[in-house]
Amino acid sequence: KNEVEQSPQNLTAQEGEFITINCSYSVGISALHWLQQHPGGGIVSLFMLSSGKKKHGRLIATINIQEKHSSLHITASHPRDSAVYICAEGAGGTSYGKLTFGQGTILTVHP
Amino acid sequence: NAGVMQNPRHLVRRRGQEARLRCSPMKGHSHVYWYRQLPEEGLKFMVYLQKENIIDESGMPKERFSAEFPKEGPSILRIQQVVRGDSAAYFCASSPRGTGAYEQYFGPGTRLTVT
Repeated sequence: KNEVEQSPQNLTAQEGEFITINCSYSVGISALHWLQQHPGGGIVSLFMLSSGKKKHGRLIATINIQEKHSSLHITASHPRDSAVYICAEGAGGTSYGKLTFGQGTILTVHP
Repeated sequence: NAGVMQNPRHLVRRRGQEARLRCSPMKGHSHVYWYRQLPEEGLKFMVYLQKENIIDESGMPKERFSAEFPKEGPSILRIQQVVRGDSAAYFCASSPRGTGAYEQYFGPGTRLTVT
């Protein structure tokens, strides 16, 4: 069983819609990472957070440490947001920061 | 500022050949992680290295796979006697520190195809 669970696995939206992707993790972490991967492309780090909320443009990430849950929100979605969004837990201590990844959420935004 | 560089971007090998994947971390980063993404699967940790040291190789297959990060030059992931199941995208990431509280910067990946 994957220690990091994302939902939904697939998400289709119309341009302009508000989008939420959820992530649950099972162990204590140093930080929770949100990544973006375009088809056939590389991986871009969107956020790294260990508490509260972070915002960058139309993207917002929140985390609830007590509930071991994080969400990624996209406001006013656009077709260029279509990508795979991946959350990953960054473990501390003797895990040396290696990331454990969720399966990813495939987002498709239609014009 | 150059980001994390990986080469080659695409590599085709026949079964039984060797594959060498290179990763140059961002300037000033001495911590490198290798991850593998099998077709239709998520990313999985393989190995974590610092300069001249393998710190955690718990995700590496027991045979045929090795990694190094010499004092000078890029980190190398080496796969001997490749098999079709090794076909995957291999990503490296670098970080200024080896803890989960620091951002990791990913390279563009090497797509390995074994024929």
